[in-house]
Amino acid sequence: DQQVKQNSPSLSVQEGRISILNCDYTNSMFDYFLWYKKYPAEGPTFLISISSIKDKNEDGRFTVFLNKSAKHLSLHIVPSQPGDSAVYFCAANPGNQFYFGTGTSLTVIP
Amino acid sequence: EAGVAQSPRYKIIEKRQSVAFWCNPISGHATLYWYQQILGQGPKLLIQFQNNGVVDDSQLPKDRFSAERLKGVDSTLKIQPAKLEDSAVYLCASSLVSGSPTGELFFGEGSRLTVL
Repeated sequence: DQQVKQNSPSLSVQEGRISILNCDYTNSMFDYFLWYKKYPAEGPTFLISISSIKDKNEDGRFTVFLNKSAKHLSLHIVPSQPGDSAVYFCAANPGNQFYFGTGTSLTVIP
Repeated sequence: EAGVAQSPRYKIIEKRQSVAFWCNPISGHATLYWYQQILGQGPKLLIQFQNNGVVDDSQLPKDRFSAERLKGVDSTLKIQPAKLEDSAVYLCASSLVSGSPTGELFFGEGSRLTVL
């Protein structure tokens, strides 16, 4: 039973434009969410997180939005750069373990 | 600060053989996780340790997988006998405290297993 879902396996964006990666979750008890970025042959690395007490968190070019009523979060990358090409995983942490989505492969075209 | 260390990076074995993976977490991190990531899927938790005790091993196929965390520091994950469907990347991760406010996991580079 997939509790965190990323319905878009891949996304291609032109350099300089906005990338929007989406994530849905099923458990309304989830209260902390993270995005991880993974390059080939490397482990995932932490990118940005958001607590359920907020609806937005920003870190440089990366912004995560949380819509609790819709159980939906999104990661915005503006402007997108070729170095952003990677697989992005959404994860939820209700406090005892992490639930990961299946990932979205982002390709930023120069 | 040294990151999470894993070895070997790559391993190719035939089905029914055994394999072991090793992980050394970030110094001082109490919680250690083993994840299995099959191609095209997200990481799936196999086992979680808090110090040297098991917190969650509900998704560990215990008939063939075993894991231990010696003295609450490094850990080994063993598969015996391996099946074709065990082909995956095995990721070790650590965090300072289970359910810490930052909720951040630090991952190793992973051990890629191919079972032929």
